[in-house]
Order: sequence, then structure tokens, then C-alpha cells
Amino acid sequence: DAEITQSPRHKITETGRQVTLACHQTWNHNNMFWYRQDLGHGLRLIHYSYGVHDTNKGEVSDGYSVSRSNTEDLPLTLESAASSQTSVYFCASTGTGGMNEQFFGPGTRLTVL
Amino acid sequence: KNEVEQSPQNLTAQEGEFITINCSYSVGISALHWLQQHPGGGIVSLFMLSSGKKKHGRLIATINIQEKHSSLHITASHPRDSAVYICAVESGTSYGKLTFGQGTILTVHP
Repeated sequence: DAEITQSPRHKITETGRQVTLACHQTWNHNNMFWYRQDLGHGLRLIHYSYGVHDTNKGEVSDGYSVSRSNTEDLPLTLESAASSQTSVYFCASTGTGGMNEQFFGPGTRLTVL
Repeated sequence: KNEVEQSPQNLTAQEGEFITINCSYSVGISALHWLQQHPGGGIVSLFMLSSGKKKHGRLIATINIQEKHSSLHITASHPRDSAVYICAVESGTSYGKLTFGQGTILTVHP
């Protein structure tokens, strides 16, 4: 069965360290998204990609970067982790174009001390 | 003002009750999504709709494009329905990018 996975599921890091969160999907979807979920803010878009070598900034992209070297993976990198980036991160994918069901990964809980 | 507003923010019900969660949005959309998130769990898509009504088991979703409003109904609620229900909209040119409401926390007591 096709799926979307994230790793690690939990991560504790220190301020200033670089952290990479992995997202891997086997749906063969072109569209992939990274969201963060915070109490009081709901889910917010960080970065997204519509295909290989395509990346775009979302609503809260400062301090984050992504790269898309193949269809299956969209890793999210925190260049220099800050306490404000403590959050739960969700990766999602959907088919080409719009108006398609979105599939979410299980989430990564990141704590920055 | 948020582009997507949900009400109520919190909802408590007794098992068997009929439940309604509302979602209003202020932008033009191509589709509206209803999502479910159990405590500590992942996010699951329940419905995606652009007009009319959809039904899946005890869940019904409706949308009124003219009024920019959608409702999610749960008939014969059960404690396992306890979760956060999230409304999200997709605009015509966003190609899958979602803007989310704050979520409605539903608790169903036996």
C-alpha cells in the first residue's frame, strides 16, 4: 500500500544546531507540503514543492529550507534551530493540480532546547 | 480576521447526539477539506468537496459556495468520534496548498 512516512518521529535538539526532518511518500505524488502545528495557530504552511527541483516558500518559511531531488522525498532543514521552532511538523502530499485528497504523514515532534 | 473560521472551538456531546461543526471562509475557493486528528495522532482526510453534499457512514459534509459556509455533521455520535476536526480551504490557483481553520475539539462522552 502507498504511504507517506516521516522520520524521526521525535527529536530533541539544541539551539543553533542544524536539523533535517525526512518525508518520504510512495504515492508518486508531484505535490508535497510541509506544515507546522502549534497551539493557538493551527496548521501553517512552511514550504511546498510541485515537482522535482521545484520549491516554494509558504507562510512561515523563515529559518527553514527544502530540496526536492526526486519525486518521493522532501526533506525539511532547520538551518540553525531556534526555540520558536519547537513544534509538531507534518508532511503531506497530493496529486498533480488541485482538488485532490491530501495525505498526511504521522508527524514529527521537534523540541529545541 | 482569519480566512477560515470554525465554530464552535470546543464541543462536548453525549453518545448518540447529532453534532454539527461549522466552517466559514472569506476567500474564493476551489475545494474545501474536512480533516480529523485524534489526540497524539496523525491527520486524516474525511472529505473534499466543492459543491453540494457528501456522506460517508455517519459523517455528512455540506457546502454552500454562495454563502462561503460548510458544515460537518456526525449522526449518532460515539466516543471514538472524539477528535479535533479541521476545516481547510484550497483556492483556485493554490494547487493543493491548504489554509486551515483553528480546529474544533470534539469530546463525546459515553
